[in-house]
Amino acid sequence: EVQLVESGGDLVQPGGSLRLSCAASGFTLDSYWMTWVRQAPGKGLEWVANIKQDGGVKHYVDSVRGRFTISRDNAKNSLYLQMNNLGADDTAIYYCARGRIQHDYWGQGTLVTVSS
Amino acid sequence: SYELTQPPSVSVSPGQTARITCSGDALPKKYACWYQQKSGQAPVLVIYEDSKRPSGIPERFSGSSSGTVATLTISGAQVEDEADYYCYSTDSSETSVAFGGGTKLTVL
Repeated sequence: EVQLVESGGDLVQPGGSLRLSCAASGFTLDSYWMTWVRQAPGKGLEWVANIKQDGGVKHYVDSVRGRFTISRDNAKNSLYLQMNNLGADDTAIYYCARGRIQHDYWGQGTLVTVSS
Repeated sequence: SYELTQPPSVSVSPGQTARITCSGDALPKKYACWYQQKSGQAPVLVIYEDSKRPSGIPERFSGSSSGTVATLTISGAQVEDEADYYCYSTDSSETSVAFGGGTKLTVL
């Protein structure tokens, strides 16, 4: 059974950092692009970043480029999102999803709250 | 960043056909996907590559694309289809991906 389980969400002060993890199981991680998507409270879905199978290609939404870094460790079946210089606008549920565009599997999400 | 435009809301009676549109400059060249999201749940893929339906998705869900507009059609909408629907696609260079703003479907 394919499963994606996010972790690492927390309450963090403005300007702080956080690292999210996504543990993958039930499939071979290195066969798929992987993606982070977020959803602010009461708002729509927002694509955040994606990463190619070997980690050699990464793309980011403009609002996080330079602050967030997506990475993966295929040997550990894990996807990561390092988030620096966090602001209130980054408050959201963060989902990891399998694939580049068509995401057939999603995690349950992890909540990141940026507040003083 | 790339932008996709959807109507904020669509309302139909049970059994009627609901159509949700999505406009984007790269849609003539790039496939669109559609996601359904019910309150408090993760999104579910209902259409990929403009018109393909994943296994387990009811046949009443269909998709099409013409020019700069992709359309999700729910034929004979059911009360359980009430949800937010998002289109999703990439720009022509495939370096930016975007969701549409989402359409709240009401079936009552």
